[in-house]
Amino acid sequence: SYELTQPPSVSVSPGQTANIACSGHTLDNKYASWYQQKPGQSPVLVMSQNDNRPSGIPKRFSGSRSGDTATLTISGTQSMDEADYYCQAWDIDSGVFGGGTKLTVL
Amino acid sequence: QLQLQESGPGLVRPSESLSLTCTVSGGSIRPNPYYWAWIRQSPGRGLEWIGTISYNGHTFYNPSLESRLTISVDTSKNQFSLRLSSVTAADTAVFYCVRLNTVIRGNDYWGQGTLVTVSS
Repeated sequence: SYELTQPPSVSVSPGQTANIACSGHTLDNKYASWYQQKPGQSPVLVMSQNDNRPSGIPKRFSGSRSGDTATLTISGTQSMDEADYYCQAWDIDSGVFGGGTKLTVL
Repeated sequence: QLQLQESGPGLVRPSESLSLTCTVSGGSIRPNPYYWAWIRQSPGRGLEWIGTISYNGHTFYNPSLESRLTISVDTSKNQFSLRLSSVTAADTAVFYCVRLNTVIRGNDYWGQGTLVTVSS
């Protein structure tokens, strides 16, 4: 079965840039989306189609893909960005999630 | 503003079936380019895609759940439903109903989630 791999945790200082990677075989021919989930809340779509930011999502969030790795970048990270982040991609007819990355802002 | 609301029992006995319904309000379940999906999250764990259905009943299921899974849609009630049979404690999770926007290829609306516990 298809798998997406994310680092379990990423730490960043306030104001710095956080990069969260998501890798998967043949991800270079798929679209990745990203979700932010804060404790006790439903996930929120923060990036679609690798680099398309939905309306209402701050401009400090951006996305990219290089080869089999998609990356969510948060520039000028704020304390409110501390959350779990999940990538998702579609393999044929299956929607697969990465294991999630806990972003700590300290 | 589109809203999705899950409903169903919060406790299910092992070996029985889990049934949930998602009611969509503030918009119709009918039109393309939207599909409708179920996603779950076991306590302290990550997200798991369960399956997706179109308004006319075309389904995509997680292969690991397919043998126990049925997702259906009722356009007259603006609802879609999930049935998972032969549940075990491993099926305990928060279940989310979600809109999949096929244009942006992302799940852009989520329900608040409902916790289903499998226990005797």
